[in-house]
Amino acid sequence: EDQVTQSPEALRLQEGESSSLNCSYTVSGLRGLFWYRQDPGKGPEFLFTLYSAGEEKEKERLKATLTKKESFLHITAPKPEDSATYLCAVQAGGSNYKLTFGKGTLLTVNP
Amino acid sequence: DAGVTQSPTHLIKTRGQHVTLRCSPISGHKSVSWYQQVLGQGPQFIFQYYEKEERGRGNFPDRFSARQFPNYSSELNVNALLLGDSALYLCASSLAGLGPREQFFGPGTRLTVL
Repeated sequence: EDQVTQSPEALRLQEGESSSLNCSYTVSGLRGLFWYRQDPGKGPEFLFTLYSAGEEKEKERLKATLTKKESFLHITAPKPEDSATYLCAVQAGGSNYKLTFGKGTLLTVNP
Repeated sequence: DAGVTQSPTHLIKTRGQHVTLRCSPISGHKSVSWYQQVLGQGPQFIFQYYEKEERGRGNFPDRFSARQFPNYSSELNVNALLLGDSALYLCASSLAGLGPREQFFGPGTRLTVL
């Protein structure tokens, strides 16, 4: 069974204080790993797709990396508007495209 | 371009009732998936439909059913509602084909069962 574990559960940063979120996974044949951002009461917003170990993607203050067992979401010089829950999900090989999500990391950035 | 749309936004039902939730995918997307998200948890996969056929089902009871229409919109039906069905129900659409497929989520329907 596919499993995704995210840590920490919650992270509080000061504005400008860089940090990383972790996503550990076990999956039978990784098709892709996805990062989403979710604001309270809203649907997840797609951020990145990573396909293979060693791959990196960047978007503004966010950078996602992937190894064979985990992924990191690095946040550089965060701003208060980066406060949200960040979700990691994996998609296994096969005929359906279901995503298996972790519980998420709740990030709070204080001004 | 319009994103994934869902209706209604909020819904309040009582135990034992049934509910129908609706979803319209992004134009050009032929695959629709449904997820349930309870407070403090990540979304849990319920169903995936592609070209009007069920392609995947998560670990949910038979009270949950879904279908996809010729225009690729979809409905999720839940019968005999239980208190534990209270959650945010998310619809996601994607292109289908080889390789990883990003799923784009709608705003969700908040279901409260009293």
